[in-house]
Amino acid sequence: QKEVEQNSGPLSVPEGAIASLNCTYSDRGSQSFFWYRQYSGKSPELIMSIYSNGDKEDGRFTAQLNKASQYVSLLIRDSQPSDSATYLCAVGRISYNKLIFGAGTRLAVHP
Amino acid sequence: DGGITQSPKYLFRKEGQNVTLSCEQNLNHDAMYWYRQDPGQGLRLIYYSQIVNDFQKGDIAEGYSVSREKKESFPLTVTSAQKNPTAFYLCASSAPRDGRGNEQFFGPGTRLTVL
Repeated sequence: QKEVEQNSGPLSVPEGAIASLNCTYSDRGSQSFFWYRQYSGKSPELIMSIYSNGDKEDGRFTAQLNKASQYVSLLIRDSQPSDSATYLCAVGRISYNKLIFGAGTRLAVHP
Repeated sequence: DGGITQSPKYLFRKEGQNVTLSCEQNLNHDAMYWYRQDPGQGLRLIYYSQIVNDFQKGDIAEGYSVSREKKESFPLTVTSAQKNPTAFYLCASSAPRDGRGNEQFFGPGTRLTVL
C-alpha cells in the first residue's frame, strides 16, 4: 500500500462543474495536509492547507479532511479550463518536517 | 520579491560527468529540500536540511550529494554514480517554526537530461 494514494485520472469535467479530487493516506499520525497544483512542465504551487477535521474554503477551492477515515479531498467549484493541471496531495507530521506526496490526479476541464 | 530560485532551468550532462544544481531562497526559511520527479510520477525526496551545516538523506539519496553552508543555499550535485539522472529536479523550502506547520514552497525546477 502506498503511503499517499490518489487516482491518476484523468478526471474530466465540463466547464462550470464541480471537480472532486480525493486522497487517502496510511499514517494515522499525520497532522498536516496540503494540495498542490502543477501545470505541465512547471513546479508545484501550494493552493490549500488543512490541519483539522472538517472543511476549509478559499475562493472556489474547498479542502475536506476526515482523519478517522484517513481521507482528504479537494473540491473545485465552477471549474475553468485554466484549472486543468495535475493536483498533488501531500501529507506529513509537523515534528518530522517532511511531506509524503501522492503521484497526483490529472484534471481536465473541457469547455 | 521573496522566493526560491533554481538554476539552470535546463541542464545537459554527459556520461560520467558530475553536475551541480543551484537552489537559493530569500524567504529566511530554515528547512530546504530536494526532490526528483519523473514523468507521470510523484515527488521523491533526495535530501533535506533542517538547519545550516546539517542534512539528511531522503528516500533516493544514492548518487547525489548536497551541502548547506549558508541558510539561503542548498546545492545538489548529481554524481556519475547516479545511473539514471534524467528527471525534473525541484527544490523547496519551509519554515516549520513560524506556526505555519510544514508547508513547503517550490522553486521553478531544473530539467536535467543525460546525453
